[in-house]
Amino acid sequence: EIVLTQSPATLSLSLGDRATLSCRASQSVSNYLAWYQQKPGQAPRLVIYDASNRATGIPARFSGSGSGTDFTLTVNSLEPEDFAVYYCQQRIGWPITFGQGTRLEIK
Amino acid sequence: QVQFVQSGAEVRKPGASVKVSCKASGYTFTTYPIHWVRQAPGQRLEWMGWINAGNGNTKYSQKLQDRVTITRDTSASTAYMELNSLTFEDTAVYYCTRAGQGWGMDVWGQGTTVTVSS
Repeated sequence: EIVLTQSPATLSLSLGDRATLSCRASQSVSNYLAWYQQKPGQAPRLVIYDASNRATGIPARFSGSGSGTDFTLTVNSLEPEDFAVYYCQQRIGWPITFGQGTRLEIK
Repeated sequence: QVQFVQSGAEVRKPGASVKVSCKASGYTFTTYPIHWVRQAPGQRLEWMGWINAGNGNTKYSQKLQDRVTITRDTSASTAYMELNSLTFEDTAVYYCTRAGQGWGMDVWGQGTTVTVSS
């Protein structure tokens, strides 16, 4: 099973800051990595697929990068609606696995 | 619009079974696979399995494969997830989601809370 480790566990930032979230895989997942945003009481929302492609409706301030084992989700100029938990997910190996999440909170 | 509507919350005793439904609308149901993902309180998302909505082929998490069954009814555009031999550790919110854009999980149901309690 491919283990995804996200860091940091919690990221405290202010409105307008840049957020950088990390996801590391225990073995190469090529570019088959997605990012999801989840707010309390809601289902997750696809943000990035295949490491660097924004999903439909996702603002341009969100970007993804990386390949192999190291990936980054960057959110520029944080807006109030961006504060949430973010999960990475790989689909190259079975079972599909998720990271443990990074909580992005308002400082 | 594309959406999934799941069945309502369930409470079961240990050892019982539960079946959750997920009705799709707004797209051709057989075009995309459907995953089932669960989230226990305060825990990460856990993939349970998926079904090819076109031909009905399935793949399950090894951890759950002896207890979970995913099916679909194409005439009703509905997928189902049945979990047997429930334990307290199965208490979670269960989601159906589509393998859509770039094989990402691009559409999600609202979630179904399953509580296992004696």
